[in-house]
Amino acid sequence: DIQMTQSPSSVSASVGDRVTITCRASQDVNSWLAWYQQKQGKAPKVLIYASSTLQSGVPSRFSGSGSGTDFTLTIHSLQPEDFATYYCQQTNAFPWTFGQGTKVEIK
Amino acid sequence: QVQLQESGPGLVNPSETLSLTCTVSGGSVSSGSYHWSWIRQPPGKGLEWVGYVFYTGSTNYNPSLKSRVSMSRDTSKNQFSLRLTSVTAADTAVYYCARTRDSSGWYRVDSWGQGALVTVSS
Repeated sequence: DIQMTQSPSSVSASVGDRVTITCRASQDVNSWLAWYQQKQGKAPKVLIYASSTLQSGVPSRFSGSGSGTDFTLTIHSLQPEDFATYYCQQTNAFPWTFGQGTKVEIK
Repeated sequence: QVQLQESGPGLVNPSETLSLTCTVSGGSVSSGSYHWSWIRQPPGKGLEWVGYVFYTGSTNYNPSLKSRVSMSRDTSKNQFSLRLTSVTAADTAVYYCARTRDSSGWYRVDSWGQGALVTVSS
């Protein structure tokens, strides 16, 4: 299985901050990488797919980049509604696997 | 707007079979370009992809569960289902049914059910 490792596991930030989350794959996944946001008690929501393509309806303050094994999710100006846990997922090879999650907390 | 809703027992005895059904509205399980997926999340932990049933009816399962899992779809009811046999406490999780969209090979889970907590305990 392809292992997905996110860093940091948690980050404390303030409204307006830029937040960067990294996801590293144990082998090349090309650009087959998606990012999800999950709020407490809710189902996840897709933000980014194909490494950098913004899902329809997602605010432009979210952006993704990377290819191969190293990927980044950036929130350019953190808003109150962005405090949540974020997961990366690779769909290059079965089984599709997720990172362990990064919790974005209020500073 | 597609909506998905899980249903099934919230408590299953160890060694028995977990069965869940997902009812889809606003879309069809026979529609091309979609994989109808199950994803689970143990309490306080991360996400694990369980598998999917393709719109053609073919399936793909996580190898870690492959010997115990089966999925199917019922086009007449617009539903798809999950069966997981010989469950243990490690199978306790919130089970999400979800739609995985395929845009020229670019996959993402774009619609999710609300999730169903299944507890394995006697």
